[in-house]
Amino acid sequence: ELKVEQNPLFLSMQEGKNYTIYCNYSTTSDRLYWYRQDPGKSLESLFVLLSNGAVKQEGRLMASLDTKARLSTLHITAAVHDLSATYFCAVGVTGANSKLTFGKGITLSVRP
Amino acid sequence: DVKVTQSSRYLVKRTGEKVFLECVQDMDHENMFWYRQDPGLGLRLIYFSYDVKMKEKGDIPEGYSVSREKKERFSLILESASTNQTSMYLCASTLLTGYEQYFGPGTRLTVT
Repeated sequence: ELKVEQNPLFLSMQEGKNYTIYCNYSTTSDRLYWYRQDPGKSLESLFVLLSNGAVKQEGRLMASLDTKARLSTLHITAAVHDLSATYFCAVGVTGANSKLTFGKGITLSVRP
Repeated sequence: DVKVTQSSRYLVKRTGEKVFLECVQDMDHENMFWYRQDPGLGLRLIYFSYDVKMKEKGDIPEGYSVSREKKERFSLILESASTNQTSMYLCASTLLTGYEQYFGPGTRLTVT
């Protein structure tokens, strides 16, 4: 059974500083996704990572994937208030259908 | 732009009622999904469908059924609603395995 763990579950960040959050998974996978959710809203796709060593960047966020370590990181550069949200990673099992397993999410709060 | 719509944003039902949640996508996606989201538990897959009239159980199918009579529409049915089914329900769709899932706005269901 595929398990996806995110840590920490809550992170208070100071504006202007850099942070990294993690997503670990338990089974071989060939695809990993990061989503963002604002309070009361639905999920918005941020990144799709489909190969070992994949790195994607959008604004202050950079995601990477290490399939050998079964680990994805989401790096935040110079945090700003607009990044306050819950971030989910989701993993699909290699060779399976399009089903994804989601982590519990990490809630980021950026304080002045 | 992909659009996934859900029939209601908020719904209040009584215990024992039969409840229908509708989801429609407009991008000819093959795969559709129903999740429920609860605080501290993240997203959990209830059912998914990879073709018309085809369905597969997700991780928590008990108490739910689904229907996919047309490619664009995926319905979630609570045969006899119970209070422990009070939750946020999210529908998603994707073209094929390896592509990101697009989420609808969610239906917040309260069963009293």
